[in-house]
Amino acid sequence: LAKTTQPISMDSYEGQEVNITCSHNNIATNDYITWYQQFPSQGPRFIIQGYKTKVTNEVASLFIPADRKSSTLSLPRVSLSDTAVYYCLVGGPNTGNQFYFGTGTSLTVIP
Amino acid sequence: GAGVSQSPSNKVTEKGKDVELRCDPISGHTALYWYRQSLGQGLEFLIYFQGNSAPDKSGLPSDRFSAERTGGSVSTLTIQRTQQEDSAVYLCASGKGGGSNTGELFFGEGSRLTVL
Repeated sequence: LAKTTQPISMDSYEGQEVNITCSHNNIATNDYITWYQQFPSQGPRFIIQGYKTKVTNEVASLFIPADRKSSTLSLPRVSLSDTAVYYCLVGGPNTGNQFYFGTGTSLTVIP
Repeated sequence: GAGVSQSPSNKVTEKGKDVELRCDPISGHTALYWYRQSLGQGLEFLIYFQGNSAPDKSGLPSDRFSAERTGGSVSTLTIQRTQQEDSAVYLCASGKGGGSNTGELFFGEGSRLTVL
């Protein structure tokens, strides 16, 4: 099972771009990389998923280098409402479908 | 319903009592997960169901915890003889199963359990 390592916390000012990097050195060949956002008293919410290179949607971008041993979630021009915990998840059907969440990164956006 | 539904949303019980938590996944999703989240902590994997196959119970913390999934749909997590350390939010998630299970999971709002 691929373990993930993320920074415990980050602060950013409103309007800035925020990049959160996750390390997953023992990612398996068929594993996907998925990021979630969690607000207090709510369940985690899917943000973005990728396998390799770059993925972009209306919320974020996900950058994955060629060796896939890390990934970076990029949030453009954050607002106060982006204050949340962000989790990186690695896994897939060929590694038992067990998806382990780490401790996540607590992002605080400052006015 | 459109999303994952969990009940009860809040449960307060006395130490030693049994509790049941229910999860109704998104229709058509064959994968179902239970996680536990203690205050200020990350999510702890408990159990994983895939269709009607035998569940992966490797995350259950003790034999006081058990879960069932009837007809490949609704799931119940049972905690027997509750202890104060069982106090947490119990989150259920569902997703496409089998070879399509890449980690895109849909979570319910959770059941907050408080053991006095």
